[in-house]
Amino acid sequence: GAGVSQSPSNKVTEKGKDVELRCDPISGHTALYWYRQSLGQGLEFLIYFQGNSAPDKSGLPSDRFSAERTGGSVSTLTIQRTQQEDSAVYLCASSGGGWINEQFFGPGTRLTVL
Amino acid sequence: SQQGEEDPQALSIQEGENATMNCSYKTSINNLQWYRQNSGRGLVHLILIRSNEREKHSGRLRVTLDTSKKSSSLLITASRAADTASYFCATDAGGAQKLVFGQGTRLTINP
Repeated sequence: GAGVSQSPSNKVTEKGKDVELRCDPISGHTALYWYRQSLGQGLEFLIYFQGNSAPDKSGLPSDRFSAERTGGSVSTLTIQRTQQEDSAVYLCASSGGGWINEQFFGPGTRLTVL
Repeated sequence: SQQGEEDPQALSIQEGENATMNCSYKTSINNLQWYRQNSGRGLVHLILIRSNEREKHSGRLRVTLDTSKKSSSLLITASRAADTASYFCATDAGGAQKLVFGQGTRLTINP
């Protein structure tokens, strides 16, 4: 079946504007993750959803960042009042949610804040 | 600080040679995974090794895990130009569902 998809693939915005990034996980995957990757760096965990449980928001860098997952499927990551340091590639991943946590990644959204 | 740290940060070898990358981590784990990333976009899962395993093979890939040293290595044999990518190790940090990634090794295979 289809893999994880993300939209848009690229987003350029002005400082102070809000942005929404979308993730469609693999059908049937109960777990969904958001990561951020700054230029030349490793991945930084942001937030994790598992079924109907409360999300693990421990990686969100500030209260300008939020995410929701509707109907246990599609997720939206929202960044309010964007700053230049928010520029990065935002990666979404999903997994079956079991003990063996192999994650399947989407192609990412490259966000550039001018 | 990062749970996983890869070594070296960059590696350049000739096609056909073997490439070895190392990863160290800090806390106990249930499993360790290696991912590949091309052109700074989506990651592709390569191999997973459980904490009770010492070695695992998949095609030209060989992964070892030494839990006493909290380290792992990824060996790519008979490298090809298409293996040029960044390679990341990721750990579950002792059962947490989120993965903790290292900074990655940038591998370049020269034809």
